[in-house]
Amino acid sequence: DAGITQSPRHKVTETGTPVTLRCHQTENHRYMYWYRQDPGHGLRLIHYSYGVKDTDKGEVSDGYSVSRSKTEDFLLTLESATSSQTSVYFCAISDSEYLGPNEKLFFGSGTQLSVL
Amino acid sequence: GQNIDQPTEMTATEGAIVQINCTYQTSGFNGLFWYQQHAGEAPTFLSYNVLDGLEEKGRFSSFLSRSKGYSYLLLKELQMKDSASYLCAVLNRDDKIIFGKGTRLHILP
Repeated sequence: DAGITQSPRHKVTETGTPVTLRCHQTENHRYMYWYRQDPGHGLRLIHYSYGVKDTDKGEVSDGYSVSRSKTEDFLLTLESATSSQTSVYFCAISDSEYLGPNEKLFFGSGTQLSVL
Repeated sequence: GQNIDQPTEMTATEGAIVQINCTYQTSGFNGLFWYQQHAGEAPTFLSYNVLDGLEEKGRFSSFLSRSKGYSYLLLKELQMKDSASYLCAVLNRDDKIIFGKGTRLHILP
């Protein structure tokens, strides 16, 4: 199994507070991704990174920011959490931008975030 | 727009065969993935198709028809541990992976 650790695994917070989720990998993979998964929706890409300090927006990036200061860590920040950001957040990694039979996405175990 | 359709839920019996269909309309096509996701866990890779035809891997097979924008995942000799969600995902022409909403499969003893 790919070495991906997400923290925290569960978090409950209040509307308007800042929240940071952490993804840590031990695979030295270049590409890291943050997804959210909600009932009635597929996994949706929030932000991704293609190297240290190199990040880009995904399809649902509003209200989120990311940082990657080291290869192994990718942080997702909700500057001011809203109830619509209640979701399960998954981090994923890959060794290549070009996914295929040998280059897959490996997912972390997820963070359940509840914004009250 | 980009759209991936798969049934929301399916039920099958232990020992039987089940086919989970996926149709897609995306901006280009560079491959199709199937992932398995048990409740409360991370998705894990099952299969990848880029050419038309059937790819077999043990009890699981995946089929692709690019001209029809269609794929299916075939699970044989179903076991209780196969109860999970199955996610169809397409790589579009920008090599961005787009996920369907997933099919929740229930296995009955």
